Amino acid sequence: KAGVTQTPRYLIKTRGQQVTLSCSPISGHRSVSWYQQTPGQGLQFLFEYFSETQRNKGNFPGRFSGRQFSNSRSEMNVSTLELGDSALYLCASSLPTSGRTDTQYFGPGTRLTVL
Amino acid sequence: GESVGLHLPTLSVQEGDNSIINCAYSNSASDYFIWYKQESGKGPQFIIDIRSNMDKRQGQRVTVLLNKTVKHLSLQIAATQPGDSAVYFCAVENNAGNMLTFGGGTRLMVKP
Repeated sequence: KAGVTQTPRYLIKTRGQQVTLSCSPISGHRSVSWYQQTPGQGLQFLFEYFSETQRNKGNFPGRFSGRQFSNSRSEMNVSTLELGDSALYLCASSLPTSGRTDTQYFGPGTRLTVL
Repeated sequence: GESVGLHLPTLSVQEGDNSIINCAYSNSASDYFIWYKQESGKGPQFIIDIRSNMDKRQGQRVTVLLNKTVKHLSLQIAATQPGDSAVYFCAVENNAGNMLTFGGGTRLMVKP
């Protein structure tokens, strides 16, 4: 079974631009979560989608948004990019089963550099 | 809210020795705990997990111990190998099952 895939793997943007990142979950997984990883803040939760609905959101400004499609694929968008948005953006998918916690499996990430 | 902390940022061990990586968490109601391994240029890779109704769980060369009394989690790696060199994160999932809170990470360096 193929793992979580993310595109693109690397991206360079300039301040003020906007960016869209894509994530394809493991086949059969319906929950997709996004995390931001930086050296200073570590891994921080952005948001989680299940059946096209955002169920949880982390403490990030409204410039960060996402969506999920009917095939469970997800995109996240960052508008008006700032230098501090430079990070590794990770996507994780999980089943989940019966509403209980379930293991999240991560993709390789998209490395975003904002100049 | 939940917070997760790691005691040591870097752990250096000799090849063949056992490694122990520790993690503290704050929410006594937490039910699900996971250890991830992240190698350079890759996303976190699932290693082992444990639920709060267990104290210990073993995998291949890895053991996770959970002490709910002091809210402490540890990962033990037996016979550490060079391929174990990576950053290790503990993570706690919220009770709704839709968010992970990660520790800061411990870098494990294995000396040949």
